[in-house]
Amino acid sequence: GAGVSQSPRYKVAKRGQDVALRCDPISGHVSLFWYQQALGQGPEFLTYFQNEAQLDKSGLPSDRFFAERPEGSVSTLKIQRTQQEDSAVYLCASSRRPAQRSTWVYEQYFGPGTRLTVT
Amino acid sequence: RKEVEQDPGPFNVPEGATVAFNCTYSNSASQSFFWYRQDCRKEPKLLMSVYSSGNEDGRFTAQLNRASQYISLLIRDSKLSDSATYLCVVPGNTPLVFGKGTRLSVIA
Repeated sequence: GAGVSQSPRYKVAKRGQDVALRCDPISGHVSLFWYQQALGQGPEFLTYFQNEAQLDKSGLPSDRFFAERPEGSVSTLKIQRTQQEDSAVYLCASSRRPAQRSTWVYEQYFGPGTRLTVT
Repeated sequence: RKEVEQDPGPFNVPEGATVAFNCTYSNSASQSFFWYRQDCRKEPKLLMSVYSSGNEDGRFTAQLNRASQYISLLIRDSKLSDSATYLCVVPGNTPLVFGKGTRLSVIA
């Protein structure tokens, strides 16, 4: 079946520009996650949605980062006034069940990512 | 202790070898654990889930040691196609915490 899709796959932005990254999760998946992955590092958690509710945004690095999932399916991660340190791969993942902090989570399936380069 | 720690490697092994990676975690309450595989410039893909003492799938075995708070991944009869970065993943202060990954290169 269809997996998680993300668009665009590559984005080059000039410093100070706003960007919007889109994620289409697997149909019917309740949970949606955004991660940032810098070169040579593991993915770092940004934010989590359960349906349309943003339950955890503790990983967003600054108030320039904003995410939404208004209808509980497609999600958009927006970065305002991009900086060079925002250059990374932004990964979206979905899971069929809700995530529970600290003890128990279910398998997540990742999209191909959006590689953002800020010049 | 960091939430999840892995030896970054690289592990360079010949085809057919057996190789093992360890991953330590700090959250003693964690109940589910995962190994993901990530190829260069690709997304992480789920390799194995571990919910009890261990799990085996073909050449791959994952084991959990709750007392010492580590999980391990054993790969037997390594193939060239096993070359990748292996990410250890554990629930933590965020829904999932990823290790930095262990890089494996299987050499002909």
